[in-house]
Amino acid sequence: DAKTTQPPSMDCAEGRAANLPCNHSTISGNEYVYWYRQIHSQGPQYIIHGLKNNETNEMASLIITEDRKSSTLILPHATLRDTAVYYCIVRVGPARGNMLTFGGGTRLMVKP
Amino acid sequence: NAGVTQTPKFQVLKTGQSMTLQCAQDMNHNSMYWYRQDPGMGLRLIYYSASEGTTDKGEVPNGYNVSRLNKREFSLRLESAAPSQTSVYFCASSEEREGGTRRNQPQHFGDGTRLSIL
Repeated sequence: DAKTTQPPSMDCAEGRAANLPCNHSTISGNEYVYWYRQIHSQGPQYIIHGLKNNETNEMASLIITEDRKSSTLILPHATLRDTAVYYCIVRVGPARGNMLTFGGGTRLMVKP
Repeated sequence: NAGVTQTPKFQVLKTGQSMTLQCAQDMNHNSMYWYRQDPGMGLRLIYYSASEGTTDKGEVPNGYNVSRLNKREFSLRLESAAPSQTSVYFCASSEEREGGTRRNQPQHFGDGTRLSIL
């Protein structure tokens, strides 16, 4: 699975949009981009995933560049409860043991 | 809206003791997984089960055994606990299965079992 690069930390003001970038320049054609988050002491929570088209659900939007080498997770109106570590993962499932490889992630701090 | 349920939430064991961590999902998912997460690190896959009756090793299987009891339940057993197995254990499930149209589906996680081995 392709590796990803994320900034280690970001701040966001409550009520504003949080834009979390992810670089995956070695992504292959059949690999999906997944986003998960982990709030302190809880299990990882699935947010959204996509292949090449932009995706939106009730939690967030996922913008994937045309060359698929990077993506941005957008939380449109961040709240204090969105403070968490956000993981960008690139994988093709269900090959190779269905592993989700969690890197360092981005620690998002939403401030009042 | 239970999703993935893990029991117990906390456990303290002595070295050499055995125990079984339980996991159940109510989403009719085909695949189930066991991960461990050590402080400051990402999750590592211990074992997974692609369907009822099948299990396979993940990245760090040594010291563990698993049982896919039925479609809902997937248990993780430590036969002789060691301090190196102190960790937070997460169970997950997914609709994902090889072949067909369910190849890239997200995993849904339980809240974890915090295990300390003295």
